[in-house]
Amino acid sequence: QVQLQESGPGLVKPSETLSLTCTVSGGSISTYYWSWIRQPPGKGLEWIGYLYYSGTTIYNPSLKSRVTISVDTSKNQISLKLSSVTAADTAVYYCARGAQQLALDYWGQGTLVTVSS
Amino acid sequence: EIVLTQSPGTLSLSPGERATLSCRASQSVSSRYLAWYQQKPGQAPRLLIYAASSRATGIPDRFSGSGSGTDFTLTISRLEPEDFAVYYCQQYGGSPPMYTFGQGTKLEIK
Repeated sequence: QVQLQESGPGLVKPSETLSLTCTVSGGSISTYYWSWIRQPPGKGLEWIGYLYYSGTTIYNPSLKSRVTISVDTSKNQISLKLSSVTAADTAVYYCARGAQQLALDYWGQGTLVTVSS
Repeated sequence: EIVLTQSPGTLSLSPGERATLSCRASQSVSSRYLAWYQQKPGQAPRLLIYAASSRATGIPDRFSGSGSGTDFTLTISRLEPEDFAVYYCQQYGGSPPMYTFGQGTKLEIK
């Protein structure tokens, strides 16, 4: 059974960089697309970007200038970095696997990141 | 960017009734890349339907998806108590290609 687990600081100061890691267990990173999605409290879902296991990345144009997604295949981990954060970046951050027709079939449980001084 | 608009925003129904949720795209979407998710409070979204009409693994057959072009529908034939949740449609495509989600439909118990 594939499992995804997000980890990282729950509190980040304004203007700093948010860094999260998604650890994949029970399956390989290979041949899949790995997305980061976020959800502000009480609001809907926003896609941040994805990484194909080979290293190709596609980002949401609205966040592209601040986002980096990378992979460590030896650890089965996908990382997210979001720079210059503001309170508007406060959200639950999810990682998810894109499989058949790029549908997101496995999700982590999510991690709440609050941006505050 | 392709914008997905879901309607209604809130749907109030009783267990046993039929639910019909709509997702309209601002431009034509490939059916291959249209999916539906269910989200309950405090939980991650769960994939229900992919490729517009294919049920994901383990999803009961009371859930069905249909549509093409700019209009897609999620139907729940007979509501069970555990079906009351928020539902999102999602597409992948456009230029540049990206995922977008609808704003969600909240299905609540009447």
